[in-house]
Amino acid sequence: QKEVEQNSGPLSVPEGAIASLNCTYSDRGSQSFFWYRQYSGKSPELIMFIYSNGDKEDGRFTAQLNKASQYVSLLIRDSQPSDSATYLCAVRALYNQGGKLIFGQGTELSVKP
Amino acid sequence: DGGITQSPKYLFRKEGQNVTLSCEQNLNHDAMYWYRQDPGQGLRLIYYSQIVNDFQKGDIAEGYSVSREKKESFPLTVTSAQKNPTAFYLCASTKPGATEAFFGQGTRLTVV
Repeated sequence: QKEVEQNSGPLSVPEGAIASLNCTYSDRGSQSFFWYRQYSGKSPELIMFIYSNGDKEDGRFTAQLNKASQYVSLLIRDSQPSDSATYLCAVRALYNQGGKLIFGQGTELSVKP
Repeated sequence: DGGITQSPKYLFRKEGQNVTLSCEQNLNHDAMYWYRQDPGQGLRLIYYSQIVNDFQKGDIAEGYSVSREKKESFPLTVTSAQKNPTAFYLCASTKPGATEAFFGQGTRLTVV
């Protein structure tokens, strides 16, 4: 079982729709969760981070965390063509447990005008 | 400006050669990471270091080596033992605790 798993996609949504990206993780000791966006040939850029169960909203983006189910998701409302990119889920263990940061394989999102 | 600098941006290696990728940060971060990314794939952890003079293997450490002699620097050597080194290499750093990673601009390594 991979430590962090994402739907590989590609995920295609029409402009203005809600895009839903999902991620599961295997280490119950994980403490922090991140969503990064990566455009082709570029380095990842942070969109959201979440530490506590529940929802966290930032503009058009909402991150959801359910530690009991070991599940984290990202919702993008009013999707725009500029949102077309690969979205990477990342999970970090406690510092005193190594603190390593593990990424999923990424989900490619395509927003059609 | 604070940040992470990777160099070179593009690197070409001949078969059997060792090459070293540079990663320098002036963010005063303790932890540093090296990742490899193949086309259409996510980031796979090669090595990481939480403090100076200490580092741990990630999931794909074979054929790679690192050093952490200074807090600011975490160079990665791709040895001749790495049979398929062509990839995009990303260096990242984080503060202690549960904070996000900051990335360099990456080095694209090609075997010729």
